[in-house]
Amino acid sequence: GESVGLHLPTLSVQEGDNSIINCAYSNSASDYFIWYKQESGKGPQFIIDIRSNMDKRQGQRVTVLLNKTVKHLSLQIAATQPGDSAVYFCAESPRSNDYKLSFGAGTTVTVRA
Amino acid sequence: NAGVTQTPKFQVLKTGQSMTLQCAQDMNHNSMYWYRQDPGMGLRLIYYSASEGTTDKGEVPNGYNVSRLNKREFSLRLESAAPSQTSVYFCASSKRTDSYGYTFGSGTRLTVV
Repeated sequence: GESVGLHLPTLSVQEGDNSIINCAYSNSASDYFIWYKQESGKGPQFIIDIRSNMDKRQGQRVTVLLNKTVKHLSLQIAATQPGDSAVYFCAESPRSNDYKLSFGAGTTVTVRA
Repeated sequence: NAGVTQTPKFQVLKTGQSMTLQCAQDMNHNSMYWYRQDPGMGLRLIYYSASEGTTDKGEVPNGYNVSRLNKREFSLRLESAAPSQTSVYFCASSKRTDSYGYTFGSGTRLTVV
């Protein structure tokens, strides 16, 4: 069946370094992908999204890369800051599933001072 | 602009008790969703409402019922709570026209003893 998964459950990053969070998906019909950030005790917050007709999209300090050939999604955070410490979720949404989002288990990012 | 508002934020129930989790959005979104979040399992869809007047089961609907009261409100009911329903519950909404991302509420932490 379809699944969305993240490669690593935890990531420790030095403040100021760049972070890369990876996600693999299995549904080749997915055509919309999104990254969420969840801080402790809060609901997930939208970071950035990308459609399947693109392979890269940039936001403020974040870049999402999509490789449809190997069904891989990544989130890059430039100059990681303490406020970036959170759990990051990738989610996919196939048009065939009425655009309902399926979420991965999440990667916990810890920023070291 | 409040976004998605969930009540209550915390609740403790005894096994067999019933309760309703309330959710309201003020963004004029068409679709609304209920997810549960358990450690290491990401977000799992319980029920969703693609539009006012419709509801459908998600991945884990057993033990729950929902009501889309109007376009703004979508409630989740536990008729006879069980310890397995101890979780954090998130309501979300989506415009689902030109954007398929979700806006999440801050969650309800439910403990069933």
